[in-house]
Amino acid sequence: DVKVTQSSRYLVKRTGEKVFLECVQDMDHENMFWYRQDPGLGLRLIYFSYDVKMKEKGDIPEGYSVSREKKERFSLILESASTNQTSMYLCASISPPRLLNTEAFFGQGTRLTVV
Amino acid sequence: SQQGEEDPQALSIQEGENATMNCSYKTSINNLQWYRQNSGRGLVHLILIRSNEREKHSGRLRVTLDTSKKSSSLLITASRAADTASYFCATDDRSSYKLIFGSGTRLLVRP
Repeated sequence: DVKVTQSSRYLVKRTGEKVFLECVQDMDHENMFWYRQDPGLGLRLIYFSYDVKMKEKGDIPEGYSVSREKKERFSLILESASTNQTSMYLCASISPPRLLNTEAFFGQGTRLTVV
Repeated sequence: SQQGEEDPQALSIQEGENATMNCSYKTSINNLQWYRQNSGRGLVHLILIRSNEREKHSGRLRVTLDTSKKSSSLLITASRAADTASYFCATDDRSSYKLIFGSGTRLLVRP
C-alpha cells in the first residue's frame, strides 16, 4: 500500500516561529501537494511539486514556502507563523507526471495551532 | 480559485435512504474524482470518472459526469451510518499539474 506520512498529527507553535511540516511518501510518486483545510472553505492548494527541486504556487501561497530536495519528501515551511495560519494541513502525492486517471494518496493531516 | 463546488454543503438522511451530492467545475478536465474524509483525518479516494465517461459504478456508489454542463453527481445507495463523512470532488487542471478540490458536502446518516 502507498503510504503518505506527515511528521506530526498535532502541532502548537507561537506567533513568529518558523514552522516545518514534513511529508514523506514511499511509492516514488512525482507529484506532491500541500493543502490547507478550513471549515466551509474545503481544501485550498498552497503549493505543489511535480519533480525534485520543482515547485509551483497554488491558490494561497502567501506566507508559505516549500522544499523538495528528494523525491520522497515535500516540506511546507511557514516562514513566520501567524494565527491566521491555524488550520489542518494535508499532504498528498500522485504517481504520473500528468494527472491522468490515477488517484491521489493523502497523509493523515497535521492540525496546526498558532498561538 | 476553487475548481469544484459541491452542493449541498450539508445533507442529513436516514439510514437506508439514498444520498446524492453534486459537483460543478469550471475548466476542461482529464478526469473527476470523489474522495471521502472522516472527521479530522486525511482523504480517501472513492472513485474516478474519466472525461470521456458518462457514468461509473463501484459497489453502492454511482457517479455521473456531464462535461457539457461541467458537473458531476455522486449517489450513495442504501446509506449506512458508517457513510457519515465529508465528500469532496476533485478535478485536474488540464493546463497544469494541479489537483483542485471543492468545498465538500458533509453527510450525516442517522441510524
